[in-house]
Amino acid sequence: DGGITQSPKYLFRKEGQNVTLSCEQNLNHDAMYWYRQDPGQGLRLIYYSQIVNDFQKGDIAEGYSVSREKKESFPLTVTSAQKNPTAFYLCASSFGLAGVYRSYNEQFFGPGTRLTVL
Amino acid sequence: AQKVTQAQTEISVVEKEDVTLDCVYETRDTTYYLFWYKQPPSGELVFLIRRNSFDEQNEISGRYSWNFQKSTSSFNFTITASQVVDSAVYFCALSLGGGADGLTFGKGTHLIIQP
Repeated sequence: DGGITQSPKYLFRKEGQNVTLSCEQNLNHDAMYWYRQDPGQGLRLIYYSQIVNDFQKGDIAEGYSVSREKKESFPLTVTSAQKNPTAFYLCASSFGLAGVYRSYNEQFFGPGTRLTVL
Repeated sequence: AQKVTQAQTEISVVEKEDVTLDCVYETRDTTYYLFWYKQPPSGELVFLIRRNSFDEQNEISGRYSWNFQKSTSSFNFTITASQVVDSAVYFCALSLGGGADGLTFGKGTHLIIQP
């Protein structure tokens, strides 16, 4: 079945450590996205990538880094510079610009990773 | 910058009642896309509908309907004859850049359907 995989579902780290969240998709989507959700809040965009080897900062990119070496993968690293890293992280993908031209561009979301920094 | 406002933080209704979730958006762009997503307790967001700024037709899908009005910058969502399975957090979202850029989300409305 096609879909988006995020692992692990729950992640615990000590303060000051970097941690990498995994996101993989087999939907043949060009674009991938990372969002952060805090309790009682909507999702906020961290980074997005519309093509391999290229990505753009979202609204809250400080303290995060990404890479897009493969079409299927878009890992997110939460660095020690991120002041409040405890949150629910959601990865999404879409057909991106190709979808716009074909009039479908909705984003599909993975199950999320709940990160707790102790 | 664009903004999405969902003024209703939480709504509680009894099963079979109709309920409307409000969404108001702000953008200076003339081309944009609006979305509704459902987030059940599991956490994964489920896509419900997309509407582009040039299409003001209302849409109905089963018990769900959407009312898009550019004059009031609103994109409201109505559930008819609500069911317990409709209980979730519902998000309205806006996208610029042809819809390929990231989404700007509202803070969500927590809908509780009581049996």
